[in-house]
Amino acid sequence: GAVVSQHPSWVICKSGTSVKIECRSLDFQATTMFWYRQFPKQSLMLMATSNEGSKATYEQGVEKDKFLINHASLTLSTLTVTSAHPEDSSFYICSAREVMNTEAFFGQGTRLTVV
Amino acid sequence: LAKTTQPISMDSYEGQEVNITCSHNNIATNDYITWYQQFPSQGPRFIIQGYKTKVTNEVASLFIPADRKSSTLSLPRVSLSDTAVYYCLVGVNYNTDKLIFGTGTRLQVFP
Repeated sequence: GAVVSQHPSWVICKSGTSVKIECRSLDFQATTMFWYRQFPKQSLMLMATSNEGSKATYEQGVEKDKFLINHASLTLSTLTVTSAHPEDSSFYICSAREVMNTEAFFGQGTRLTVV
Repeated sequence: LAKTTQPISMDSYEGQEVNITCSHNNIATNDYITWYQQFPSQGPRFIIQGYKTKVTNEVASLFIPADRKSSTLSLPRVSLSDTAVYYCLVGVNYNTDKLIFGTGTRLQVFP
């Protein structure tokens, strides 16, 4: 199946700094990418939908100024957690779907720890 | 997007068949049903997708009754490595349609 690569797989940062997470579709073009966060023992929570070349659509309750999403090309979307705080520590997962494909592919996730 | 309801957890033993049922009473005509598997600290992995009746692949079968208000994921002869969380998702999977995850079913397989 198609491959979605997420980088880094884990990151530790100091409180107040910003962290960028990359999501790449390696062998297909993804017009739409999704970003999720997941806390321990909980389900995935959709944060935003990212469309290539346009502004991301954020879910209710997700701060767009804190979680900056950029989808500059058909194979790359980035999530930047700005001014990270310990409560932002979580598992972040991206997903990508090829145009008119009914299957979505997920990255391996990024474990963010803010200290 | 149709809401889904699954059992929170299930236990099984190696070699047994496991059936996980998902309810989606307000499924729309164009909605597909998709199941994903997630191991700890990994992204979800696609298992199977269907629209009606029965779909089978190398890892699982998906049974969908005529009214499509529920679906059952069947895992034949589970092993310890099948211990994971299984999510049932319903929606029209085209282009920008969102994938909303429900609570999922935590399957524990014992030796």
